Amino acid sequence: QKEVEQDPGPLSVPEGAIVSLNCTYSNSAFQYFMWYRQYSRKGPELLMYTYSSGNKEDGRFTAQVDKSSKYISLFIRDSQPSDSATYLCAGAETSGSRLTFGEGTQLTVNP
Amino acid sequence: ETGVTQTPRHLVMGMTNKKSLKCEQHLGHNAMYWYKQSAKKPLELMFVYNFKEQTENNSVPSRFSPECPNSSHLFLHLHTLQPEDSALYLCASSQDRSGGAVSTDTQYFGPGTRLTVL
Repeated sequence: QKEVEQDPGPLSVPEGAIVSLNCTYSNSAFQYFMWYRQYSRKGPELLMYTYSSGNKEDGRFTAQVDKSSKYISLFIRDSQPSDSATYLCAGAETSGSRLTFGEGTQLTVNP
Repeated sequence: ETGVTQTPRHLVMGMTNKKSLKCEQHLGHNAMYWYKQSAKKPLELMFVYNFKEQTENNSVPSRFSPECPNSSHLFLHLHTLQPEDSALYLCASSQDRSGGAVSTDTQYFGPGTRLTVL
């Protein structure tokens, strides 16, 4: 079983839609959770970083962590074609431990 | 631009060749990483260097040999690779404040080297 499971998609939505991207994880020791965005032919870039359970909002993006169900979500409001990318979730046990990534979800936002 | 550059961007090599991938970070970070990204698979951490010292080798075959001459440069030397080693090789750097093997401080990735082994 993969430590972090993520539906690879592809996911295609119309512009303006609310997008929900999700991951589940099996390691109950994870406390740090990240979402990375990777455009085609580019390296991943950190989008959101949360610690423990709860919500974190940054502009059109909201990251949500539910440690009781080991579920991580990223919501994108008013999605734009420029949001088209692969989104990677990752977890870590402590600030000094490795990041464990999901395989990524490919998102396309159609104009 | 993220401040992490990688060369070459594309590389095609035969199984008997020897080649090297180069990574340079201009961010003043002290930790550098090599990752392998294959289709339909999660990012795989290969090596970690912290203050030029290798702190993690994630059971990587010896045909991959890393080198970190200083905190700004990281190399991955390749020899006698297999076709299944074809992948995107990503370099990343971060400012490790924890002193641990890997920092969850923001990791900045380079654009990667797309490697094809024939």
